[in-house]
Amino acid sequence: EVQLVQSGAEVKKPGESLKISCKGYGYNFSTRWIGWVRQMPGKGLEWMGIIYPGDSDAKYSPSFRGHVTFSADKSTDTAYLQWNSLRSSDTATYYCARRGEYSNPDYWGQGTQVIVSS
Amino acid sequence: DIQMTQSPSSLSASVGDRVTITCRASQDIVSYLNWYQQKPGKAPRLLVYAASTLHAGVPSRFSGKRSGTDFTLTISSLQPEDVASYYCLQSYSLQPWTFGQGTKVEIK
Repeated sequence: EVQLVQSGAEVKKPGESLKISCKGYGYNFSTRWIGWVRQMPGKGLEWMGIIYPGDSDAKYSPSFRGHVTFSADKSTDTAYLQWNSLRSSDTATYYCARRGEYSNPDYWGQGTQVIVSS
Repeated sequence: DIQMTQSPSSLSASVGDRVTITCRASQDIVSYLNWYQQKPGKAPRLLVYAASTLHAGVPSRFSGKRSGTDFTLTISSLQPEDVASYYCLQSYSLQPWTFGQGTKVEIK
């Protein structure tokens, strides 16, 4: 059974760093792109970008480029989303999703809630 | 970047009603259009991909259609469990993909 399991909720202060994870089960993790999606409280879904775990080729949406970093470790079937300096506006739930055969994100993680507050 | 304009932003309908949500792409995306359902506190769930193909396990009352750069999601007979927010997502080429603004569906 295909599953994406994300790391737990985080509470951080502005300026701190953070790395959250998304681990894949039940399929060949290295061969499917993993996307990241932000949902701010009470708001809609925003596409952040996508990474190919096989070679760590990453593509970022313009709104997120330079502020976040995607990475992947194919030896542990895990993708990561990282911030070097969090802002209060990063408070949101973050989802990872697998790109399906028809370019459709088909399986999703359960989400990781990130709260950034002083 | 490709923009997706989704309408309406919310709707209220009775159980058994036919409900239609629309997304318009700012340029040709062929059929790279997906529809998702999201209930509060839950991850999005894929309903329709490639504009009109129902994902496995999705009830047949959901359907998708493409007409040029206009895409529709139809619920043929609204059920109480369909109360949720619905989003379209264009996935044409690799980047950047974009969501519509979302439609909140409620029962009247």
